Amino acid sequence: DVKVTQSSRYLVKRTGEKVFLECVQDMDHENMFWYRQDPGLGLRLIYFSYDVKMKEKGDIPEGYSVSREKKERFSLILESASTNQTSMYLCASKRAGVGWAEAFFGQGTRLTVV
Amino acid sequence: KQEVTQIPAALSVPEGENLVLNCSFTDSAIYNLQWFRQDPGKGLTSLLLIQSSQREQTSGRLNASLDKSSGRSTLYIAASQPGDSATYLCAVPLGNAGNMLTFGGGTRLMVKP
Repeated sequence: DVKVTQSSRYLVKRTGEKVFLECVQDMDHENMFWYRQDPGLGLRLIYFSYDVKMKEKGDIPEGYSVSREKKERFSLILESASTNQTSMYLCASKRAGVGWAEAFFGQGTRLTVV
Repeated sequence: KQEVTQIPAALSVPEGENLVLNCSFTDSAIYNLQWFRQDPGKGLTSLLLIQSSQREQTSGRLNASLDKSSGRSTLYIAASQPGDSATYLCAVPLGNAGNMLTFGGGTRLMVKP
């Protein structure tokens, strides 16, 4: 019963390519998040969305953009991929107003930019 | 800016040992602290949530403590098992709304049979 689905588990892209990472949740959650995870650095928030067409920058938004046209889907876009964006990307969702104990995470997309 | 640090970064123990994972944070004005588990290639699973007014939370063999004044939390795992092998992360929310979490770097635990 997968609740948060990320479109790809592994992705290899070339420097300069435009990259789309997709995240879909089936729980009608208002809040959705994109994190990147690097060894020793934990998870760092890139962007989050608290509703359709609404977005907020996280700690490290540079080089990324997002799109939330439908409630269930939150896309992370790398406009021009660079090697320093090689990382594990995790999507999460939760209902507005509830804590993270009730959040769900996707399995992650490991992106390699060559 | 809140910074969260976890020590050690990696830990390898034989099965059956009791162990302690450490988490420290720089801004003691937190509303809660959460411990997560991450299995290889998977997302995060919430283990324990401690509210700022609490000192401890327990779930089975796991016990998490919180000392806000010193900016520390510990996760105690009793009688460790190979199935406990995973990365453990602690996180604190930014503000009361808690929409954004600040994570520590994680402790990668290996429990050997």
